[in-house]
Amino acid sequence: SQQGEEDPQALSIQEGENATMNCSYKTSINNLQWYRQNSGRGLVHLILIRSNEREKHSGRLRVTLDTSKKSSSLLITASRAADTASYFCATDVPLKTSYDKVIFGPGTSLSVIP
Amino acid sequence: DGGITQSPKYLFRKEGQNVTLSCEQNLNHDAMYWYRQDPGQGLRLIYYSQIVNDFQKGDIAEGYSVSREKKESFPLTVTSAQKNPTAFYLCASAAGGWEKLFFGSGTQLSVL
Repeated sequence: SQQGEEDPQALSIQEGENATMNCSYKTSINNLQWYRQNSGRGLVHLILIRSNEREKHSGRLRVTLDTSKKSSSLLITASRAADTASYFCATDVPLKTSYDKVIFGPGTSLSVIP
Repeated sequence: DGGITQSPKYLFRKEGQNVTLSCEQNLNHDAMYWYRQDPGQGLRLIYYSQIVNDFQKGDIAEGYSVSREKKESFPLTVTSAQKNPTAFYLCASAAGGWEKLFFGSGTQLSVL
């Protein structure tokens, strides 16, 4: 089963509205990251929040992390048509060895209508 | 420019054939990853490597093989044992554990 699960699977909003996407995960993490993917392209890193942080901002993005609930949210304010993309959360899962794995959720497909 | 390069962009495989996807980075990153993405789905981890000459299986390693002979290169071979190889393959690198990933532009693999 997926370590991370985004919610909703798909979201359609009007330009100028805010978009909120949620991510839940199962095991303890070192950090949580959000990525964006335009259709048929690679992923682009948006923001990283560490397990000891609760909130982080970057431009129109706001990310929260609640480790007690094992959940995170991504808020995009004043959305634009160019924000149309898929958004993924990724968790960095610590292992007993020096390795760690980065696991992605299934993503939220965001459509911003002009 | 620093970055991560995947090639080819499109690849076709015949039945019983092994094919190799290239991934090169000039970011001096220690960690490299291979993911598979099926249409409308998230990314699933195939293999990852934190140091040269060492790598670990991810969640769906069966039918795939990798090597890490050089820090900058992490090629993925899709073997004939992978019965459903059609997917979008993404390579990524990171400076180390707990750091953000940089992705290549992907390789679309299809079966003839």
